[in-house]
Amino acid sequence: NAGVMQNPRHLVRRRGQEARLRCSPMKGHSHVYWYRQLPEEGLKFMVYLQKENIIDESGMPKERFSAEFPKEGPSILRIQQVVRGDSAAYFCASSFRVGYEQYFGPGTRLTVT
Amino acid sequence: GESVGLHLPTLSVQEGDNSIINCAYSNSASDYFIWYKQESGKGPQFIIDIRSNMDKRQGQRVTVLLNKTVKHLSLQIAATQPGDSAVYFCAENMISQFYFGTGTSLTVIP
Repeated sequence: NAGVMQNPRHLVRRRGQEARLRCSPMKGHSHVYWYRQLPEEGLKFMVYLQKENIIDESGMPKERFSAEFPKEGPSILRIQQVVRGDSAAYFCASSFRVGYEQYFGPGTRLTVT
Repeated sequence: GESVGLHLPTLSVQEGDNSIINCAYSNSASDYFIWYKQESGKGPQFIIDIRSNMDKRQGQRVTVLLNKTVKHLSLQIAATQPGDSAVYFCAENMISQFYFGTGTSLTVIP
């Protein structure tokens, strides 16, 4: 039973470019969560999605960031016109039900140059 | 927003000793808590969880204690091993979100 998968593991973008981060949840999980982690800090919630629906995006910046979880395929976190402050590790987690344990992927480390 | 804090940012223990990592949470309505372990360059790994209707839960070499009166959570690791060296986070659940503390870095001295 494969765990949560994320790709790419490392992503380098220049300022102004777009970053696309992908997440495939664990088999049987329909709840996906995205978190951001800065060095030496904890994880900050960004967005919670179920298939085709955004349930809670209260932690996601209103501009330049968007997320989707289509009926088929992985969840995508998209960052448009990246800035240096977007450099961080982005983790995806999935759960079988909301309010139950979340299992994390290995993360995507985004570096904006 | 909610805050989950840890009393100590770093902890060093001798191999074989027991480790105790503490966590304070802020919202008395939080009903579910998880401890995660994160090794360098990896994603958080689930260790153990506890719901608010319990005050203690044991796993393999780990025990989580929950004191709702003072909003305190602790993780005890028995017979700490070098492989336990990592950053440990507690996470507090409120509805659809988990709130994570900054973490405690555990170093095991051989």
